[in-house]
Amino acid sequence: AQTVTQSQPEMSVQEAETVTLSCTYDTSESDYYLFWYKQPPSRQMILVIRQEAYKQQNATENRFSVNFQKAAKSFSLKISDSQLGDAAMYFCAYTGTASKLTFGTGTRLQVTL
Amino acid sequence: GAVVSQHPSWVICKSGTSVKIECRSLDFQATTMFWYRQFPKQSLMLMATSNEGSKATYEQGVEKDKFLINHASLTLSTLTVTSAHPEDSSFYICSARDFSGRGGSYNEQFFGPGTRLTVL
Repeated sequence: AQTVTQSQPEMSVQEAETVTLSCTYDTSESDYYLFWYKQPPSRQMILVIRQEAYKQQNATENRFSVNFQKAAKSFSLKISDSQLGDAAMYFCAYTGTASKLTFGTGTRLQVTL
Repeated sequence: GAVVSQHPSWVICKSGTSVKIECRSLDFQATTMFWYRQFPKQSLMLMATSNEGSKATYEQGVEKDKFLINHASLTLSTLTVTSAHPEDSSFYICSARDFSGRGGSYNEQFFGPGTRLTVL
C-alpha cells in the first residue's frame, strides 16, 4: 500500500519570506501523480500544484514550486513571497494505478506579519 | 469550470435518524465519485469510491450498511448515514473525476465544499 508522510505538523513563515513543506511517500508503482492541496478555514480543498512521476522537471505555479526527488521519494513544496492568504492546512497526496488519493497528515502553515 | 457542489453544507440530526448528503458535478460528467471523512485537525480518509451505475467500493473498516452510497447518474452521488450516532459526527467531503478529459490525464479529483454533520 502507498503511504504519504508529512513530518511537519506546523510551520510558520513571515510575510514575503519563503517556506518549504516536506513530504515523503512510499510506493512500488512506477506511474503515479503527486499533488499538494491547500485547505483554508473554509475547508474547501484547493489544488495547489501537481507533478507527474515520469516528468523530471519540477512543477511550478506562480509562487509555488516543488522539489521532486523520485529516487528519494520526496516531494516538497516551496512557497515564495508568502502572503497572509497562504495560511492554511497543506496536504500532500499521491495517486497511482488505483486512482485513489492517499493523503498525508497535513502541515498547518501560519503566516505572520 | 470543474465545479462540485454538496448539499447540505451542514446538518444537525437526532441520534437514530438517517441523513442524506448529495454531491453533484455541475459542469462535467463524473464517472467516478469519492467520499471522504475528515475529523477535526486530521487528514481526509477515503470512505468509498462510487462508479456510476454500479455498487460502491468501500474502504476497509467502513460499514457499507451504515454509509449507503448511490451513484445513480453521471452528475449525482448520494451518501446516506443510516441510524446516525454521535460518533458519526464529522466533516464529509466528496470529490469527482472526469475521465472524459478535464483533469483526466492527471487523475485529478475535484472537491466539493464539504458537509458538516452533527448528531445529537
